Amino acid sequence: GEDVEQSLFLSVREGDSSVINCTYTDSSSTYLYWYKQEPGAGLQLLTYIFSNMDMKQDQRLTVLLNKKDKHLSLRIADTQTGDSAIYFCAEMDSSYKLIFGSGTRLLVRP
Amino acid sequence: DGGITQSPKYLFRKEGQNVTLSCEQNLNHDAMYWYRQDPGQGLRLIYYSQIVNDFQKGDIAEGYSVSREKKESFPLTVTSAQKNPTAFYLCASSMGENSNTEAFFGQGTRLTVV
Repeated sequence: GEDVEQSLFLSVREGDSSVINCTYTDSSSTYLYWYKQEPGAGLQLLTYIFSNMDMKQDQRLTVLLNKKDKHLSLRIADTQTGDSAIYFCAEMDSSYKLIFGSGTRLLVRP
Repeated sequence: DGGITQSPKYLFRKEGQNVTLSCEQNLNHDAMYWYRQDPGQGLRLIYYSQIVNDFQKGDIAEGYSVSREKKESFPLTVTSAQKNPTAFYLCASSMGENSNTEAFFGQGTRLTVV
């Protein structure tokens, strides 16, 4: 079946860039998403990319999509302590079902 | 304000009781979803609905039921058949088949069964 995988943990120093990676298996994915979850809260949509694009930039966020390798990444420039959270990668398949990865916990050290 | 609302934020129930979690959206979205999140884990899909009066099982539908009688509402019932119901439940909605398919989430309901 469809699967989305992410590494579980990433630690960076404040001011550095963070890169969170995600791989997926469904080649019929239409959209791919990055969500942020802070403790005890719901998920906040950060950005998304359509499957026929290879890059999208939105302020400090850059999404790169390698459709051939089914690899998605989220780069956060100038990472701040407020960026500490869990980041979820998700894909929407051709039946409009949303499938999530297990989340990457980002810890930003001062 | 347009958005997706889950209520209540915290819910406590005794073992063996059914409980219904509310999810309402005023975004005119066709698709709605229910996910379960356990501590330190990702989201697992329980049920989803692409259109009114229709819904499909997700990966972990056993012990849950849903209805979609109105476009705005997608309540989730956690039945006594669900063996481990204590979790954080998240509802989401998206346009579905239309061009803009961003998915938005509610703030979640934390269910504790004692």
